[in-house]
Amino acid sequence: DVKVTQSSRYLVKRTGEKVFLECVQDMDHENMFWYRQDPGLGLRLIYFSYDVKMKEKGDIPEGYSVSREKKERFSLILESASTNQTSMYLCASSSYGGLAGSADTQYFGPGTRLTVL
Amino acid sequence: AQSVAQPEDQVNVAEGNPLTVKCTYSVSGNPYLFWYVQYPNRGLQFLLKYITGDNLVKGSYGFEAEFNKSQTSFHLKKPSALVSDSALYFCAVMDSSYKLIFGSGTRLLVRP
Repeated sequence: DVKVTQSSRYLVKRTGEKVFLECVQDMDHENMFWYRQDPGLGLRLIYFSYDVKMKEKGDIPEGYSVSREKKERFSLILESASTNQTSMYLCASSSYGGLAGSADTQYFGPGTRLTVL
Repeated sequence: AQSVAQPEDQVNVAEGNPLTVKCTYSVSGNPYLFWYVQYPNRGLQFLLKYITGDNLVKGSYGFEAEFNKSQTSFHLKKPSALVSDSALYFCAVMDSSYKLIFGSGTRLLVRP
């Protein structure tokens, strides 16, 4: 089975702190994604990565950065946390669809509920 | 631009009755469509996907979904609901860059 783990289930930080959210997958997937989930808004894509050291902005990248130094690990960084970043953060991974692409399923971690005070 | 709509915030159904959770989409080209389920304080679990072929797709936990190209819909169905099916359900479409675009979610409540 695909396993995606996230470093913390719950996290409480203060405004202005630098926050690191870690995600690890064990299926040798090329693609990794970070989403945030807010009530009534569904999931919104923050950043994604198709390969090591590669990153692409999603729909809401402002206030976030990412790092992918190893294939299995994708980190989300909040440079200076703000209260409007209080949310559920979900990491996902999928395999590469090849040159023609394919609808490879994304598999999700359990999520990190971040509260910024 | 690609988009997904889940018109119902909540669906209520009695245990043993059939259930339907609605999803409509807008996409250029052939749609790749997904359903996920989220139980309380958990991540999303994959239920099923439509790529091509048979319009009726079978997935996990007895769920199925019907792809209707003319109505641009991909409704999730189950013949007989269980209380344990109560959860938050998300429909998603894959865009031309192979990223998922999610609907806002539908809360399913199955009463005993």
